Amino acid sequence: NAGVTQTPKFRILKIGQSMTLQCTQDMNHNYMYWYRQDPGMGLKLIYYSVGAGITDKGEVPNGYNVSRSTTEDFPLRLELAAPSQTSVYFCASSYDSAGRSNYGYTFGSGTRLTVV
Amino acid sequence: KNQVEQSPQSLIILEGKNCTLQCNYTVSPFSNLRWYKQDTGRGPVSLTIMTFSENTKSNGRYTATLDADTKQSSLHITASQLSDSASYICVVSAGVPTDSWGKLQFGAGTQVVVTP
Repeated sequence: NAGVTQTPKFRILKIGQSMTLQCTQDMNHNYMYWYRQDPGMGLKLIYYSVGAGITDKGEVPNGYNVSRSTTEDFPLRLELAAPSQTSVYFCASSYDSAGRSNYGYTFGSGTRLTVV
Repeated sequence: KNQVEQSPQSLIILEGKNCTLQCNYTVSPFSNLRWYKQDTGRGPVSLTIMTFSENTKSNGRYTATLDADTKQSSLHITASQLSDSASYICVVSAGVPTDSWGKLQFGAGTQVVVTP
């Protein structure tokens, strides 16, 4: 099925460990995003990309890194996991930018990360 | 302060009844407003997208309204079903059509529980 695929679905990390959250889309979307969702809060943008080779920081980028070597893949890297990074992470993609487009975002099913 | 406020925070309704969710925003400049449905453990799924010039938009039993003058939107669910139990998120896009990047502001969501 076409869409955004995230792996893993669940992960428990120890403080200081690192990991990569994988995200891939097969809709040939130029725009891709990483969000985190904390209880009772709206989604917050971590990083985004407007095309292969181009990435930029969102609202809450500290502690994370991204790369965009292909149109399809947009992995999110946590280098030194901290308890504050316990959250649900969503990857999304869109055909055009949010401001110009009437197209909706397509979200992945999320990765639930716990840092202990 | 969050630029997108949703009310109520949660509500319980009987199957078959109608309900209305509210969204107030202060995002400027306004580009478009979206309503998403998020089932537990899943990513958000787009229900409607409305631009400045649109007052209402329907998607099956979901009807969204927009008053850009008062910066208010509502989502009406008609003849609720058990499958409507979910979080409903109001998302406002800031930016003008010439922006290469339109920033999304997410509300915290309204948790709807439909009971038999």
